[in-house]
Amino acid sequence: DQQVKQNSPSLSVQEGRISILNCDYTNSMFDYFLWYKKYPAEGPTFLISISSIKDKNEDGRFTVFLNKSAKHLSLHIVPSQPGDSAVYFCAASVDDYKLSFGAGTTVTVRA
Amino acid sequence: EAGVTQFPSHSVIEKGQTVTLRCDPISGHDNLYWYRRVMGKEIKFLLHFVKESKQDESGMPNNRFLAERTGGTYSTLKVQPAELEDSGVYFCASSQDPRESSYNEQFFGPGTRLTVL
Repeated sequence: DQQVKQNSPSLSVQEGRISILNCDYTNSMFDYFLWYKKYPAEGPTFLISISSIKDKNEDGRFTVFLNKSAKHLSLHIVPSQPGDSAVYFCAASVDDYKLSFGAGTTVTVRA
Repeated sequence: EAGVTQFPSHSVIEKGQTVTLRCDPISGHDNLYWYRRVMGKEIKFLLHFVKESKQDESGMPNNRFLAERTGGTYSTLKVQPAELEDSGVYFCASSQDPRESSYNEQFFGPGTRLTVL
């Protein structure tokens, strides 16, 4: 039973514009949310996270928004750069250990 | 500092054979995790070690999968006998004690791509 869902398998955006990735979850016990980025033939690398007590966290070009009432989070990347082309995974945890991932969104940044 | 390493990077075996995957975590990380991604779907949790003890193995698919972490250092994941549906990418991750950092960030290895024919 998949508790974290990324309904958009792919996203194409022009360089310099904003990329918005969305994620929905069903488990109200999740208290920590993360985004991971993955390049081909590499493992996922941590990008940004947010605690359930916050609704926004910003780190440079990356901002994560959490809407607990809607069980929805999003990742904004602005401005998008060619190096941002990768697969982005949304993840969540209840206990700080076991991560539940979405299926990923492949982002392609066009020059 | 060396990252999480996994061996082999690829493995192709026939149904019914045995395969053993190895993971070397970041030195000093007590927590070690195994995950699997099948056919471009979500990355699924398999199990979690704290040192040499299995803390949570709720994601292990069945008794054909055996994970060990002798001495609390590297870990192995053995699949015996392998079935077609076991094909996928197996990721290992490690993290330090969450009491030592603000969050228990998990560092992932590059994965082992397993193909069962």
